[in-house]
Amino acid sequence: DQQVKQNSPSLSVQEGRISILNCDYTNSMFDYFLWYKKYPAEGPTFLISISSIKDKNEDGRFTVFLNKSAKHLSLHIVPSQPGDSAVYFCAASGNNAGNMLTFGGGTRLMVKP
Amino acid sequence: DSGVTQTPKHLITATGQRVTLRCSPRSGDLSVYWYQQSLDQGLQFLIQYYNGEERAKGNILERFSAQQFPDLHSELNLSSLELGDSALYFCASSVQAGYTDTQYFGPGTRLTVL
Repeated sequence: DQQVKQNSPSLSVQEGRISILNCDYTNSMFDYFLWYKKYPAEGPTFLISISSIKDKNEDGRFTVFLNKSAKHLSLHIVPSQPGDSAVYFCAASGNNAGNMLTFGGGTRLMVKP
Repeated sequence: DSGVTQTPKHLITATGQRVTLRCSPRSGDLSVYWYQQSLDQGLQFLIQYYNGEERAKGNILERFSAQQFPDLHSELNLSSLELGDSALYFCASSVQAGYTDTQYFGPGTRLTVL
C-alpha cells in the first residue's frame, strides 16, 4: 500500500519554463511534507518543506503548494535550469505517523537547454 | 556535501555473508536514520536511533540490526545476505528526533549480493 505516490515517473521541460511535479498521499496522519532532489550516485538532497498549517512555501525558484483536502502537493520550479535535471522525491511525515519519512517513487525531471 | 558520511561506498559480497555499513552523522546531530532503496521498493525507512537509543522501527528484517555508539556514529549490520538485499543503503541524520526535523542524507552504500 503506497501511502505517498508520484504518478509521473518522468517529466521533460524546456529551459526557462516552469516544471511542475506532483505528489499525492493517502495517510491523513501526515502533516509535514518535503521535497528532495537526487542526482545519480549521490544521496537525496533536501530542497523545501511545508507544514500542513500552510498551503504554500517559497524558497527562491522553488515553491511547494499543499492542498490538504485533496491530499495533494506539488513542487513548482521557475525558471527551470538544466542543472535541475535529477530525480525528485516527495516525502511525508507526521507526529502520529512516526518520525520517519515515507517517500514517493520519484519523478525524473529532464530540463532541455 | 550534506556532512553525513557513509562507508564503504560500494560493497560486493556473496549470499549468506554478513556485512557492516557505517554512518557518521553531521556534527551536532543526535538522530540517525537508515533507509533502503531498491529498484522495486523505492526508498524505505528501516530504523531510527536517537542519542544511542532505538527510536523507531520500519520494515526492517530480523536479519538486519543497527546500533548507535556513544560518539553518535551508527552501524547497520546485515546478515545471512540474500540476493534481494542488493540495494542502496542510505543513512540520514537530523538535529533532534522530531518529525519536522530535516533529515540530511549521506551518499549511500551500494550493496551487491552475488
